Amino acid sequence: DGGITQSPKYLFRKEGQNVTLSCEQNLNHDAMYWYRQDPGQGLRLIYYSQIVNDFQKGDIAEGYSVSREKKESFPLTVTSAQKNPTAFYLCASSIGRDNYGYTFGSGTRLTVV
Amino acid sequence: AQSVTQLGSHVSVSEGALVLLRCNYSSSVPPYLFWYVQYPNQGLQLLLKYTTGATLVKGINGFEAEFKKSETSFHLTKPSAHMSDAAEYFCAVSDRGTGGFKTIFGAGTRLFVKA
Repeated sequence: DGGITQSPKYLFRKEGQNVTLSCEQNLNHDAMYWYRQDPGQGLRLIYYSQIVNDFQKGDIAEGYSVSREKKESFPLTVTSAQKNPTAFYLCASSIGRDNYGYTFGSGTRLTVV
Repeated sequence: AQSVTQLGSHVSVSEGALVLLRCNYSSSVPPYLFWYVQYPNQGLQLLLKYTTGATLVKGINGFEAEFKKSETSFHLTKPSAHMSDAAEYFCAVSDRGTGGFKTIFGAGTRLFVKA
């Protein structure tokens, strides 16, 4: 079955550490997105990519970085510059540049310890 | 600028009762509108969407929503709630601006279903 796989499901980060969240899709979707979810705040866009080797900052990109070397993969790195990284991170994809609806992964819960 | 307002962070209904989750939006151009459902510790799943055409949209699990341009609303309804409907629901609006589509999500409404 086609879908989006996020790993790991739970991740713990120490202060000053960079961590990378994986997102892989086999839907042949062109566009991929990273969202951050905090209780009571809905979803906020971190980064998005509409084609390979190109990506754009979203509303809360500071302290995060991404790459899009393959169509199927869009990893997110949470750097030590992100001061409040504890959150639920969701990866999504859509068919093309127009939004006819997203397919979401099952998320990664990141906790700072 | 786009915005999405979901009225009520929590809604509680009895099993078998009508479900009504409210969503109002603002958009300077004709929008695409969506409802997503999220179960605990899961990603979001698309329930239904409005892009063009018929304003009453039917989705999965017996849900439907009506796009009312004059009221800038896209409320989600289900005639009879089931225990399995207990989840968080997100309304989203997407419209085309410079640089392509931009999507904004509401803050979410958690639905409780009482036996």
